[in-house]
Amino acid sequence: GIQVEQSPPDLILQEGANSTLRCNFSDSVNNLQWFHQNPWGQLINLFYIPSGTKQNGRLSATTVATERYSLLYISSSQTTDSGVYFCAVDGYGGSQGNLIFGKGTKLSVKP
Amino acid sequence: GAVVSQHPSRVICKSGTSVKIECRSLDFQATTMFWYRQFPKQSLMLMATSNEGSKATYEQGVEKDKFLINHASLTLSTLTVTSAHPEDSSFYICSARRQLGRTEAFFGQGTRLTVV
Repeated sequence: GIQVEQSPPDLILQEGANSTLRCNFSDSVNNLQWFHQNPWGQLINLFYIPSGTKQNGRLSATTVATERYSLLYISSSQTTDSGVYFCAVDGYGGSQGNLIFGKGTKLSVKP
Repeated sequence: GAVVSQHPSRVICKSGTSVKIECRSLDFQATTMFWYRQFPKQSLMLMATSNEGSKATYEQGVEKDKFLINHASLTLSTLTVTSAHPEDSSFYICSARRQLGRTEAFFGQGTRLTVV
């Protein structure tokens, strides 16, 4: 099945810094999403981005489907950005429609 | 975006009892819903695919008789953990999409189950 790798696994930032999180996937995808899991466990949808670039406030994401990777940019980080960021994909062919998750990037933003 | 509601958010039960978790799509119909399990500091792993009006499809290694799934309507799927044991303690989360293919998936709030 499709493999999803995220890097880095852990990231510590000072408030105000910028960061880039990466997601590599091993095959063509129907769907790619970025999530932020808050301390209570809820998954917050950040971006639905199987290809192209999107921006939402301080966050933006780019997926280059032909090269099988996606990037999540966080600018001017805040302590509330802390948590785990997941990339998840739904591959072509053989997929039941479920998302396959990477292992996540744990982000800690220090004041 | 679409809303998926999951209840309860937290439950503590005694060993040997059963616990039911509900997952509802509030503003769309979902013929398929997905149940995931997450252990502490790990990623989400698919447990089963819930299909409206038919049997659920379980991932390899997931006990069908322990994790009963019922998808009785287009807006409701339930996961029942039967004869719960402490090792069943985990975070369970459901997901739904308006349709399969190139559409966004939405997740419930999750249920933290503790078996004592």
